[in-house]
Amino acid sequence: DTGVSQDPRHKITKRGQNVTFRCDPISEHNRLYWYRQTLGQGPEFLTYFQNEAQLEKSRLLSDRFSAERPKGSFSTLEIQRTEQGDSAMYLCASSFQGGMTEAFFGQGTRLTVV
Amino acid sequence: SQQGEEDPQALSIQEGENATMNCSYKTSINNLQWYRQNSGRGLVHLILIRSNEREKHSGRLRVTLDTSKKSSSLLITASRAADTASYFCATWGSTGANNLFFGTGTRLTVIP
Repeated sequence: DTGVSQDPRHKITKRGQNVTFRCDPISEHNRLYWYRQTLGQGPEFLTYFQNEAQLEKSRLLSDRFSAERPKGSFSTLEIQRTEQGDSAMYLCASSFQGGMTEAFFGQGTRLTVV
Repeated sequence: SQQGEEDPQALSIQEGENATMNCSYKTSINNLQWYRQNSGRGLVHLILIRSNEREKHSGRLRVTLDTSKKSSSLLITASRAADTASYFCATWGSTGANNLFFGTGTRLTVIP
């Protein structure tokens, strides 16, 4: 296990389609985070999990966004009925339980909605 | 909205010079962290400074924290072309939502 892994790295989809991204965190980490980053901006927090519990989801951008971490290991982020404004880099990160430590980021999934 | 704001938004220096980036934040923090991001890639953690610390060093990096002014600075000494990247500060709040919030970033270009 060499780090946080995200799949796919790139996704091009037509407007209105659903997309799902996967994140595999570092295996010892209990916390998993999703961020969105648009060009020239810093990462914007979306949601996070501690084990399988989603402890913060009020910052998900709309009800079209949802995330799961069913067994406390990998996580998925789904966007339904994609819009052009959803085009961005989606970043996943993980950290040790307790949280107030460094976060380890994956390489991100770049979504382009056409 | 983002928790932190970096200044300047962009910085261009010659190789060998020092680069200083500043970060201001809004609320009480547990710690402040600096990350680097190469174009189109994920973020890499550089250094963490706790709220009870004032200065921290790691290799060519020096970070200061002034909690009374809610500000931090990152100094990169003897810069190299490979230091070209975006640099972000991020904060863990001491109360409320327990999440890592990022600033807007400084784009550093080191000219060989």
